[in-house]
Amino acid sequence: GQNIDQPTEMTATEGAIVQINCTYQTSGFNGLFWYQQHAGEAPTFLSYNVLDGLEEKGRFSSFLSRSKGYSYLLLKELQMKDSASYLCAVGDSNYQLIWGAGTKLIIKP
Amino acid sequence: DTAVSQTPKYLVTQMGNDKSIKCEQNLGHDTMYWYKQDSKKFLKIMFSYNNKELIINETVPNRFSPKSPDKAHLNLHINSLELGDSAVYFCASSQDRERGSVETQYFGPGTRLLVL
Repeated sequence: GQNIDQPTEMTATEGAIVQINCTYQTSGFNGLFWYQQHAGEAPTFLSYNVLDGLEEKGRFSSFLSRSKGYSYLLLKELQMKDSASYLCAVGDSNYQLIWGAGTKLIIKP
Repeated sequence: DTAVSQTPKYLVTQMGNDKSIKCEQNLGHDTMYWYKQDSKKFLKIMFSYNNKELIINETVPNRFSPKSPDKAHLNLHINSLELGDSAVYFCASSQDRERGSVETQYFGPGTRLLVL
């Protein structure tokens, strides 16, 4: 079967750094996406990795290791507005997105 | 100039009723999707559709049916609503490029359905 694993919830402090991990087992691999979802809102696109390595975009970076079936999203200089759920999604061999259950990130002052 | 829009935002109805949720995108995308997000926040694909192919998640009851009057619209019709249908339903769209890539999906604001 296909499976995406992420921690259910994480807590971090404003101004700090947090790393949200995602491991996946899918039939094929056609890219990995990270989305952010604030409570009561729609998911919004954050990042896309298809090759191994780190993609940096401002305070957010995403890393991929295809051989390990592993990715992480790194958030630096945390702000209160970063409190949200972070969803990992992987494109499978049918070019369909398989979604993780999301990690709820709580930022404390 | 909303990219992906859905109506209604909230829908409260009785068990057994039939209801529709509308979705429109003005991004010029070829593929549209319907997702269900339950109380545990798990995002589950229900349908993906472009002008060539409808892909149905086999776990979706046949009481749910997508209807696409044109490329910019994909409506969701639900017959004989049940209590377990209560959830947030998201519409999304993406480009439909040549096979060999998975495109970024853009989501509508969601429809919060409550079945009483």
